[in-house]
Amino acid sequence: EAGVVQSPRYKIIEKKQPVAFWCNPISGHNTLYWYLQNLGQGPELLIRYENEEAVDDSQLPKDRFSAERLKGVDSTLKIQPAELGDSAVYLCASSLLAGVNEQFFGPGTRLTVL
Amino acid sequence: AQSVTQPDIHITVSEGASLELRCNYSYGATPYLFWYVQSPGQGLQLLLKYFSGDTLVQGIKGFEAEFKRSQSSFNLRKPSVHWSDAAEYFCAASGSARQLTFGSGTQLTVLP
Repeated sequence: EAGVVQSPRYKIIEKKQPVAFWCNPISGHNTLYWYLQNLGQGPELLIRYENEEAVDDSQLPKDRFSAERLKGVDSTLKIQPAELGDSAVYLCASSLLAGVNEQFFGPGTRLTVL
Repeated sequence: AQSVTQPDIHITVSEGASLELRCNYSYGATPYLFWYVQSPGQGLQLLLKYFSGDTLVQGIKGFEAEFKRSQSSFNLRKPSVHWSDAAEYFCAASGSARQLTFGSGTQLTVLP
């Protein structure tokens, strides 16, 4: 069974440019998460989807960050415009919807903003 | 506020030695507790989890963790460390298992 797929794995951009990350969760997983992981820190939740609905986006900086999960499967996270402080690893995870379930993580996208 | 603390930023052990990584949590009630491992360039992999019941939890790769309510701790242990265990380890807690709060991680170095 394929795990959580993320692309690209690495991205280098200049500040003020837009950038987008893509995530394809494990087949059948209704819940999808985007996390931000700064160097030397644990992941922090940005947004959680249950199917196509964003049920928790309280930590998403909505002035520059946006996300979508149009058909309740794969998802895109966008930053526009990127700032130097956005350099980090962006992790996607997925889980089954019901009950207490393990979150499975993708390998992440390492973003460097110059 | 809910929080997870991993007091040790970096731990070095010799191969074959025992290991204990510390984790303390601050939650209103007993949360669900997890340990994840992250190797360079990899996503996080779940080692073990505690929801309720037996306070000693067995996980993958020979790891175990003990939940101690009185100390608000969930320490990870392994009796004999292998070189392949070198990685970063994250403790996490959740009130609902939907939203995880992670500690800042402990980097493990294994000496030959």
